[in-house]
Parts: sequence; structure tokens; C-alpha cells
Amino acid sequence: SAVISQKPSRDICQRGTSLTIQCQVDSQVTMMFWYRQQPGQSLTLIATANQGSEATYESGFVIDKFPISRPNLTFSTLTVSNMSPEDSSIYLCSAVGSQTWGDTQYFGPGTRLTVL
Amino acid sequence: AQSVAQPEDQVNVAEGNPLTVKCTYSVSGNPYLFWYVQYPNRGLQFLLKYITGDNLVKGSYGFEAEFNKSQTSFHLKKPSALVSDSALYFCAVRGMDSNYQLIWGAGTKLIIKP
Repeated sequence: SAVISQKPSRDICQRGTSLTIQCQVDSQVTMMFWYRQQPGQSLTLIATANQGSEATYESGFVIDKFPISRPNLTFSTLTVSNMSPEDSSIYLCSAVGSQTWGDTQYFGPGTRLTVL
Repeated sequence: AQSVAQPEDQVNVAEGNPLTVKCTYSVSGNPYLFWYVQYPNRGLQFLLKYITGDNLVKGSYGFEAEFNKSQTSFHLKKPSALVSDSALYFCAVRGMDSNYQLIWGAGTKLIIKP
């Protein structure tokens, strides 16, 4: 199976600041995604991280608030900018399309963010 | 529009009994169907998937799921539940023309009582 790591695993931040979450995959993948999840609830897709080009954002999410980078086929970052308490959530990265995984999407362990 | 429904917010089963977690879907074309499990304070773990072939799919931890095209269902099953199976279970679907994106169900909390 896949190995996807995320840093940090959790953080407590002050409102108005920004946090960058890193996602590292142990093999080259076709697609990487960023999700948000409230505890006990379903996943909401924030954006698709495209290698070498701008991310594709879902309705309700904008680049100024959630800038995403994907400089290569194994790494991506999500920044949560100008944070407010409403941004408190679990942020998950996922990846799909490696030679080993095929169509299966695998997930990192998540970053639990609390904004005070 | 593509969608996934998990009609039960919570399922309670006694240890040793069979369990079923229900999932129905709506997607254009042939679906790719997935089940994931999320243990408390953990990320999502892949359990099994149906792409094509045999309608009964076997996955991790003794789970299996049956694809039923006429009923557009993909229910998750296990013959004998363990207390350690208690977790949040998500069904997801991908249409053949989507860019690997998954449509997610709301999740079902499975509680196995000793």
C-alpha cells in the first residue's frame, strides 16, 4: 500500500496567521487532492493539486485563501491563509495513479488544525 | 448528477454477528466503487474496490462488498463482527469520465458491542 506523510500532524494557531501543510508521497503519482473534514463527518474536496500548474479549486474554495503548490510528482503543500476559527478542521491530502496503486486513492494521516 | 447515499448514520451490531453497511449510488456509465474506513483520530484507510468483474469483492480485515447493478448498491459486509471493527465507514464512487475524483457518502458509524 501507499505511504503518504503529512506535516504537521496537528497545530494550534492564532487567527489571522497562516499555516502551510506538507504532503509527501513515497512514489510518483498522477493526481493529488486536498480535503477538509470535520470530525465524524464526510470529506469535502478543496482542490486538485496539479503538477506544474495552478490547482483546480472546488466551489466555495479560492486560491487566495487556500494556495496550493505541487512542484513535482511526489509533493504538495496547502496553505490555510488568514485563518479564522471557522478554519478549524482536519485537512487530508490524498494521491492516486501511481504504478502500484492504479485507481485507488490513498490518504495521508491528516493535519488537525485548531484556530483560536 | 453523481451521488452516493449511505442511508444509516449509525449501525449497531453485537460482536460475532454479521454486519452490513449500506451504500447506493448514482453515476453515469459504469461506476468505480470504493469503501474506506476511518478509525478515531486516524486518516482514511482503503478497504476494497469494485472496478469490473466478479460482483463480490473481498478486501482487507475480512470485509467484502457486493456490487448490484440493478439496485445500484454496493453494500459492505462481514460475516462475524469484531469490537475492533468499530469505526466510521465511507462509501465513494467515481464515474468513468471523472478525473480520479471521488464522490463521497456521508459516512456510517459502525459500533460493535461486546
